[in-house]
Amino acid sequence: EVQLVESGGGLVQSGGSLRLSCAASGFTFNKYWMHWVRQAPGKGLVWVSHINSDGSSRSYADSVKGRFTISRDNAKNTLYLQMNSLRAEDTAVYYCAGSFGYWGQGTLVAVSS
Amino acid sequence: DVVMTQSPLSLPVTPGQPASISCRSSQSLVSSDGNTYLNWFQQRPGQSPRRLIYKVSNRESGVPDRFSGSGSGTDFTLKISRVEAEDVGIYYCMQGSHWPPWTFGQGTKVEIQ
Repeated sequence: EVQLVESGGGLVQSGGSLRLSCAASGFTFNKYWMHWVRQAPGKGLVWVSHINSDGSSRSYADSVKGRFTISRDNAKNTLYLQMNSLRAEDTAVYYCAGSFGYWGQGTLVAVSS
Repeated sequence: DVVMTQSPLSLPVTPGQPASISCRSSQSLVSSDGNTYLNWFQQRPGQSPRRLIYKVSNRESGVPDRFSGSGSGTDFTLKISRVEAEDVGIYYCMQGSHWPPWTFGQGTKVEIQ
């Protein structure tokens, strides 16, 4: 059974940092491009960042570029998102997704201003 | 960036009746490799997104055959042949032909009337 389990969310003050993790199992993690997608309360889906299968290529939405860093550890089947200089507008549920075919349950990040 | 525009944004449906959602892109979604990377996702209340359709018309494993996708270029459609109560939720189209960023439509809320 495919599983993606996010963790690391929580309440943080504006300007603070959080590191999200996404533990993968049930599929060949090191062959999949991975993404972070977020959803603000009551709003739609927004793509945040991607990393290719071996970690050599990454991209970011303009809204998080320079503040967020995506990484992966294929030996641990885990995806990460380091989030710095957090803003109120970063408040959302953050989903990890494997090539958009596999999705986690999401982790809530709340930034207080 | 490619802008994805869905219509309608709200769709009251009667069980057993067909339903259709339109998705238009601001530029052709034919990729440099000749493929068209247009996906459809379903997000039921309180759940993570789930991909229903990839590359315009390919159903994911386990997706009921009452769901179908069609279209080309800039115009795409998701059809539900006979709506069931479990189909209530928000439906998103997403393009992956011209990235980054990957971009989603605003979402169409399907509800039983």
